[in-house]
Amino acid sequence: SQTIHQWPATLVQPVGSPLSLECTVEGTSNPNLYWYRQAAGRGLQLLFYSVGIGQISSEVPQNLSASRPQDRQFILSSKKLLLSDSGFYLCAWRRNSPLHFGNGTRLTVT
Amino acid sequence: KQEVTQIPAALSVPEGENLVLNCSFTDSAIYNLQWFRQDPGKGLTSLLLIQSSQREQTSGRLNASLDKSSGRSTLYIAASQPGDSATYLCAADTDSWGKLQFGAGTQVVVTP
Repeated sequence: SQTIHQWPATLVQPVGSPLSLECTVEGTSNPNLYWYRQAAGRGLQLLFYSVGIGQISSEVPQNLSASRPQDRQFILSSKKLLLSDSGFYLCAWRRNSPLHFGNGTRLTVT
Repeated sequence: KQEVTQIPAALSVPEGENLVLNCSFTDSAIYNLQWFRQDPGKGLTSLLLIQSSQREQTSGRLNASLDKSSGRSTLYIAASQPGDSATYLCAADTDSWGKLQFGAGTQVVVTP
């Protein structure tokens, strides 16, 4: 069966520090991968998606970037965090199937 | 651009009552409509996916209907239980890349 791993579960970072969140999928190949952000009291916002290694599409111009160095690995990064980057970050995958989410990372920028 | 709306934002029912959750979307050209459940501080769990060619989908006590012409989907949860307390989100799949447009969710509380 397929599983998705996302870490860390929680993160507290000062403004201006770098960020790296990682997501890996097991049990499938060539999945579509997605990064969503859920801000307090708001819906899910799609940040990035990828349909293959090295292929990244950005939905919203922002302080973040994404990379897909391997087929089942998706990384969300920032060089310098802003207060507005605080939120709940969710990785998801699908391949001709319902969208499946990881457990999320709660990021607090102080 | 697809817009997805869920009303009400919050709902409280006594245990045993049937739950009816509403989802509306503005663009009827969808591939499918998905329903998710989110527990506090957790990721989303997929509940049901209705293909655009289907009118409804069932799983246990859950039944979801889809009316593309009117831009609506409804999630029914029969005989609600306290364990059904969560936020329920619907999402419309209108893109060949599999990107979903989410509603803001309905927060459900089932009281014992």
